Amino acid sequence: GEDVEQSLFLSVREGDSSVINCTYTDSSSTYLYWYKQEPGAGLQLLTYIFSNMDMKQDQRLTVLLNKKDKHLSLRIADTQTGDSAIYFCAEMMGNTPLVFGKGTRLSVIA
Amino acid sequence: DAGVIQSPRHEVTEMGQEVTLRCKPISGHDYLFWYRQTMMRGLELLIYFNNNVPIDDSGMPEDRFSAKMPNASFSTLKIQPSEPRDSAVYFCASTNFPTVLYGYTFGSGTRLTVV
Repeated sequence: GEDVEQSLFLSVREGDSSVINCTYTDSSSTYLYWYKQEPGAGLQLLTYIFSNMDMKQDQRLTVLLNKKDKHLSLRIADTQTGDSAIYFCAEMMGNTPLVFGKGTRLSVIA
Repeated sequence: DAGVIQSPRHEVTEMGQEVTLRCKPISGHDYLFWYRQTMMRGLELLIYFNNNVPIDDSGMPEDRFSAKMPNASFSTLKIQPSEPRDSAVYFCASTNFPTVLYGYTFGSGTRLTVV
């Protein structure tokens, strides 16, 4: 497909792990990103991964990259109510601007 | 740095009126982007500038939309005349090399409602 694709909604219980998936468009994309958008706010960079990496871990966040399938995932361990937000996957190909998915709305149930 | 600053935060206007959205990028950033966010279409790139020069405006929906960057610290996005379908959240973002490797910095957005 030509779009960065994400499922629109995910609901998890507090304390569980959340996994947000993304399929991107170009196997030659050099940089891939996860952004978080809280209600009424702009997008904040959560984490990024370069295409020469398969995995990146940053505290409760784990990013997995499968270049063959053009699949990116974000795992949030021990999900908290403060993690409720919209999460955007984005890719950058060369010098072109970031292309975003439509975002996954994560709801954390206490 | 105060980050990317957008104004106003909210704008409600009547159909047919002119609307001007403003953005101040982070000092030293030489790329500036305007995105529009809607439920249906997600985040769409409208236009971006490098060193105050428009590089790609293919995302601008139609001639009613125009954007300028008269200097390195200020950009405007103008809609004239506005229509209800222009209602959306408009984001400005900035970056530079090599920080572009680490993504863009976004403003808090302007929520536009055209009635």
